[in-house]
Amino acid sequence: AQSVSQHNHHVILSEAASLELGCNYSYGGTVNLFWYVQYPGQHLQLLLKYFSGDPLVKGIKGFEAEFIKSKFSFNLRKPSVQWSDTAEYFCAVNVDNYGQNFVFGPGTRLSVLP
Amino acid sequence: DAGVIQSPRHEVTEMGQEVTLRCKLISGHNSLFWYRQTMMRGLELLIYFNNNVPIDDSGMPEDRFSAKMPNASFSTLKIQPSEPRDSAVYFCASSSRELNSPLHFGNGTRLTVT
Repeated sequence: AQSVSQHNHHVILSEAASLELGCNYSYGGTVNLFWYVQYPGQHLQLLLKYFSGDPLVKGIKGFEAEFIKSKFSFNLRKPSVQWSDTAEYFCAVNVDNYGQNFVFGPGTRLSVLP
Repeated sequence: DAGVIQSPRHEVTEMGQEVTLRCKLISGHNSLFWYRQTMMRGLELLIYFNNNVPIDDSGMPEDRFSAKMPNASFSTLKIQPSEPRDSAVYFCASSSRELNSPLHFGNGTRLTVT
């Protein structure tokens, strides 16, 4: 069965620092990849997604992610974080193109210090 | 589009009582997922449906939990009898028939069992 791992449990950064959150998945076939963000006390919201084409995907709020097929990775990046980016970030994989069988990683909590 | 609608937002009940959580899918979506989120175990998939049919219920913790989709737009998650360890935030999510559709989450139900 496919699985998703996220490298860091908790990341603490100062404002304006650069961010990279790691995500690796285990599945040898075609995958759809997602990053979701959960702000404190809120539900999960889609940050960005990759299905095909350009492996560098741009999402909302200045986030981007790069799909590296050879490394089974889909790392999330942001060049300069803000205090408002404090949240939990979940990487997810969907190996069924028709919207089923999403597998989520354990999440990475990001704390941005003002 | 109203999004995925869950009710109630908060539920406080005593151990042994029956709890029913409700979810209304986004119109046109055909896959429905129930997740449970706790600090200890993170985000866990309980069950998902495709076209009203339960596809994978391996995440349902025990027989006290049951989920139904009486029609294409509505689902319930029932816990009977409830126990304090069931305290968590329960999220419902749906996705559409469109190729590569992401998950859309509801605002969740925070359940406290005393």
